[in-house]
Amino acid sequence: DAKTTQPPSMDCAEGRAANLPCNHSTISGNEYVYWYRQIHSQGPQYIIHGLKNNETNEMASLIITEDRKSSTLILPHATLRDTAVYYCIVSSGTASKLTFGTGTRLQVTL
Amino acid sequence: DTAVSQTPKYLVTQMGNDKSIKCEQNLGHDTMYWYKQDSKKFLKIMFSYNNKELIINETVPNRFSPKSPDKAHLNLHINSLELGDSAVYFCASSHINEQFFGPGTRLTVL
Repeated sequence: DAKTTQPPSMDCAEGRAANLPCNHSTISGNEYVYWYRQIHSQGPQYIIHGLKNNETNEMASLIITEDRKSSTLILPHATLRDTAVYYCIVSSGTASKLTFGTGTRLQVTL
Repeated sequence: DTAVSQTPKYLVTQMGNDKSIKCEQNLGHDTMYWYKQDSKKFLKIMFSYNNKELIINETVPNRFSPKSPDKAHLNLHINSLELGDSAVYFCASSHINEQFFGPGTRLTVL
């Protein structure tokens, strides 16, 4: 699985959009970009995934660059409950292992 | 209704003991996983089972033996526990792309 690079930490004011970047320059053609988050002491939680096109669901939006070498997770209106470690993972999909990196610790503040 | 459940939530034991952690999912998924998160918060895949068959084994010591009596259960048995086995163990299940994680079992070896 391709490796990802994320900033170790970010801050965001409550109510503002949180934009979390991820570099995955060695991604191969059949690999998806997944985002998970881990709120303190809980199990990781799936957020969103995509292959080439931008994706949106009730939690977030995923913007993938045309060359697929980087992506951005957008939480449109961050709340205090969004404070967590966010992991960007590249994987070939179905029934595949997830290789977690160090992630980005997002701190949402008042 | 809990999707992926693990028992026990906490486990404290002495070095050299044998212990088991149980995992059950009620999502009807075919694939189940065990992950280990160490004190530095690195989250790593250990095993994966698909329809009760082992498909991923990530160079885990053979003191760790997963057992899948049916598709809904994946238990983890650990023999001769060592101090380095202290960690949080997460069970997960998946159907297509999304993995659902359990709440974790915090194992402390004294």
